[in-house]
Amino acid sequence: SQQGEEDPQALSIQEGENATMNCSYKTSINNLQWYRQNSGRGLVHLILIRSNEREKHSGRLRVTLDTSKKSSSLLITASRAADTASYFCATDAQHAGNMLTFGGGTRLMVKP
Amino acid sequence: DVKVTQSSRYLVKRTGEKVFLECVQDMDHENMFWYRQDPGLGLRLIYFSYDVKMKEKGDIPEGYSVSREKKERFSLILESASTNQTSMYLCASRTGTSGRGEQFFGPGTRLTVL
Repeated sequence: SQQGEEDPQALSIQEGENATMNCSYKTSINNLQWYRQNSGRGLVHLILIRSNEREKHSGRLRVTLDTSKKSSSLLITASRAADTASYFCATDAQHAGNMLTFGGGTRLMVKP
Repeated sequence: DVKVTQSSRYLVKRTGEKVFLECVQDMDHENMFWYRQDPGLGLRLIYFSYDVKMKEKGDIPEGYSVSREKKERFSLILESASTNQTSMYLCASRTGTSGRGEQFFGPGTRLTVL
């Protein structure tokens, strides 16, 4: 069952522009995580934001979390062609044991 | 450098064959997971294990079984492969301690069933 849903499903931008991806979820969470997947490869963890945090930064990544709206956003600033990948949010729900629940992902294409 | 490895990157099997997908992690993680990923359907959890010899069904366990005889190894078994099991299979592991951080994924196995 998918708790997180990403929006948009696909995004195409020019190099240097910012990319914003959104994630909505349904139940109370311990934390929310973002992952990246290059074509045909496994997922790589990018950033984790806990339920008591509102914003977190890591390099060119900025993640926000609004627990009242049950939503999160991932911002990639000054995008590069190498950022082309699929991005997934995953929720660590309070009653889900040790499982993460992944959304359907956003496919980002950054044109050089 | 933490690592999750999967036995094959690409695998081609015939309908009715028994297929074993192996996953090994070197992080002493308690939890291990098998997902399949199909276009438009995202990641779907097949089975997970939170300890040796323990297993739990995920969202789509039909047609699959798993084995965890050692902590570092989690195997996915297709008892009788069918064409609708053609997919990308991803293994992952995660610590069982409080804080419940990230999952570490293997590189994936792209299985084709003819």
